[in-house]
Amino acid sequence: SAVISQKPSRDICQRGTSLTIQCQVDSQVTMMFWYRQQPGQSLTLIATANQGSEATYESGFVIDKFPISRPNLTFSTLTVSNMSPEDSSIYLCSVRQGVSSYEQYFGPGTRLTVT
Amino acid sequence: GNSVTQMEGPVTLSEEAFLTINCTYTATGYPSLFWYVQYPGEGLQLLLKATKADDKGSNKGFEATYRKETTSFHLEKGSVQVSDSAVYFCALSYSGGSYIPTFGRGTSLIVHP
Repeated sequence: SAVISQKPSRDICQRGTSLTIQCQVDSQVTMMFWYRQQPGQSLTLIATANQGSEATYESGFVIDKFPISRPNLTFSTLTVSNMSPEDSSIYLCSVRQGVSSYEQYFGPGTRLTVT
Repeated sequence: GNSVTQMEGPVTLSEEAFLTINCTYTATGYPSLFWYVQYPGEGLQLLLKATKADDKGSNKGFEATYRKETTSFHLEKGSVQVSDSAVYFCALSYSGGSYIPTFGRGTSLIVHP
């Protein structure tokens, strides 16, 4: 299994500002994912971040709004840019330890409130 | 495409009651099936899994059986506790490649003393 930490755990931000969320894993992982979970909803995949390549974004999410970095096999950041109240959500980092593995592990999440 | 359907919540039970949370799926081939649990203020944790038909996953008193004939993976527990109050997500995935799991909408469970 993998142990994942996220910073910050929660934040309250003003409209128009940006927030960078960090995800740290205790072991090297091939695939990292960023999800959004809006109140009372299921998980929505934002993007897949593999080390050494550009992040792959899902429909409805763009790099200008959600830039992602993946500098090594244990770390990634997600930035939520030019925030609006609609961005208020829980943002979850998730990893898969190998391409052949189907088990995913999740971080504790970052609870973002935009006012 | 693939999909996972869970029963609507919240499910409200008294302590020691029997729990069933229904999950059905639509998928091609032979997916693996999972239940994840999300406790208040936390991320998702893998609760149990089953990788082929008729497999039973179990953990912490929870069980689910992979029923290919009914395309179901219902979660059960014989006697729930207040500490089981959480949101439960059913999911499917495939081994190999870059398949991203498909999650259900989640079912909230509230257990009263």
